[in-house]
Amino acid sequence: GAVVSQHPSWVICKSGTSVKIECRSLDFQATTMFWYRQFPKQSLMLMATSNEGSKATYEQGVEKDKFLINHASLTLSTLTVTSAHPEDSSFYICSARVDRGPYSNQPQHFGDGTRLSIL
Amino acid sequence: AQKITQTQPGMFVQEKEAVTLDCTYDTSDQSYGLFWYKQPSSGEMIFLIYQGSYDEQNATEGRYSLNFQKARKSANLVISASQLGDSAMYFCAMREEYSGGGADGLTFGKGTHLIIQP
Repeated sequence: GAVVSQHPSWVICKSGTSVKIECRSLDFQATTMFWYRQFPKQSLMLMATSNEGSKATYEQGVEKDKFLINHASLTLSTLTVTSAHPEDSSFYICSARVDRGPYSNQPQHFGDGTRLSIL
Repeated sequence: AQKITQTQPGMFVQEKEAVTLDCTYDTSDQSYGLFWYKQPSSGEMIFLIYQGSYDEQNATEGRYSLNFQKARKSANLVISASQLGDSAMYFCAMREEYSGGGADGLTFGKGTHLIIQP
């Protein structure tokens, strides 16, 4: 249980293209999903918190107009990298938290990630 | 602000030996959770173990145990009887947790690259 599906797993596109990445919770509802970015040989950095039915909360330094997040349902959040450039090339990975009771110890379940390469 | 420190960039361990991966953290949050994730070369993040800040007992999950020392703000991962398949990057992470059931996103350490040798 608690499977998170991320699509696509690999994208190569030209500079200036907008790329949409989907994150789905397959067997549970997630009012909150998280988007992370990981450069090669580095750690994961939280980009934004995606809340179902409301605007995403972005971490300091992350351009909200560059990285558009939509969380339209309890099982789907999308990240759109607008007008992508080579410096946006990275590994993007989403996670979803199972909504349970107080002090929930449910781990954040991660998708398999999307490797984005901008030429 | 939260900070996770993993001081071991890489480790070589003989197969079947136990290994301890170090993790210290800094936070002003009263309630928080500590996690360890494994990331193989394929990239997926595999959840290993969780420790809540109010849990009095150290967490265990099969061959994994978390040595939680709250006063020292450390949360070391211990892998018993290491296997070749344990070779991967290991990340320590934490999040603030709320009594209403909410929780923030994870703050990750820089990771430790563990290589198990036959």
